[in-house]
Amino acid sequence: AQSVTQLDSQVPVFEEAPVELRCNYSSSVSVYLFWYVQYPNQGLQLLLKYLSGSTLVKGINGFEAEFNKSQTSFHLRKPSVHISDTAEYFCAVSDSGTYKYIFGTGTRLKVLA
Amino acid sequence: SAVISQKPSRDICQRGTSLTIQCQVDSQVTMMFWYRQQPGQSLTLIATANQGSEATYESGFVIDKFPISRPNLTFSTLTVSNMSPEDSSIYLCSVVTGVRSYNEQFFGPGTRLTVL
Repeated sequence: AQSVTQLDSQVPVFEEAPVELRCNYSSSVSVYLFWYVQYPNQGLQLLLKYLSGSTLVKGINGFEAEFNKSQTSFHLRKPSVHISDTAEYFCAVSDSGTYKYIFGTGTRLKVLA
Repeated sequence: SAVISQKPSRDICQRGTSLTIQCQVDSQVTMMFWYRQQPGQSLTLIATANQGSEATYESGFVIDKFPISRPNLTFSTLTVSNMSPEDSSIYLCSVVTGVRSYNEQFFGPGTRLTVL
């Protein structure tokens, strides 16, 4: 069965510093990968998604992620974070051909002034 | 995209009672799902709400505890029955608007349930 691992439960980072949030998934022939953000007391919002093609995916709010098939990873990056990026970030994977998402346990990003 | 609303946004309930959560979408959607997010944890899929037929439940979730209805393509309800404190969670509905499996899921704002 598919699984997703987000190794870091919390990531503190100073404002304007770069950040990387890690996500690894269990191997599969073909997968779709997603990053969602959840701001306090709100629902989930899609940041970006990888379906196929270019391994570097750009999303909203300056975030990007790189799909690495050999390492089964899909790490999320931002070159310069803002206080407003403080939120919970979830990585999700689905096997192509299914609607079922498997979510990671989330990484709480805290941007410090 | 889709605009999703959930009612209630939050509730505090007594042990042994039931709560029905509504999910309304502003347009017809192909798929609707219900998730549970327990405190400090990730999202777990409860079931797929099927229009006009019984929902498809994931392992560990049963219809008697979480009855689901989906009478049309824009509306679904999830009932949490005979509640216990362990049911305290955020319950979210999500939808898929397209016909391809790679179409992203859009999430509602969630219903925060506390069971005393």
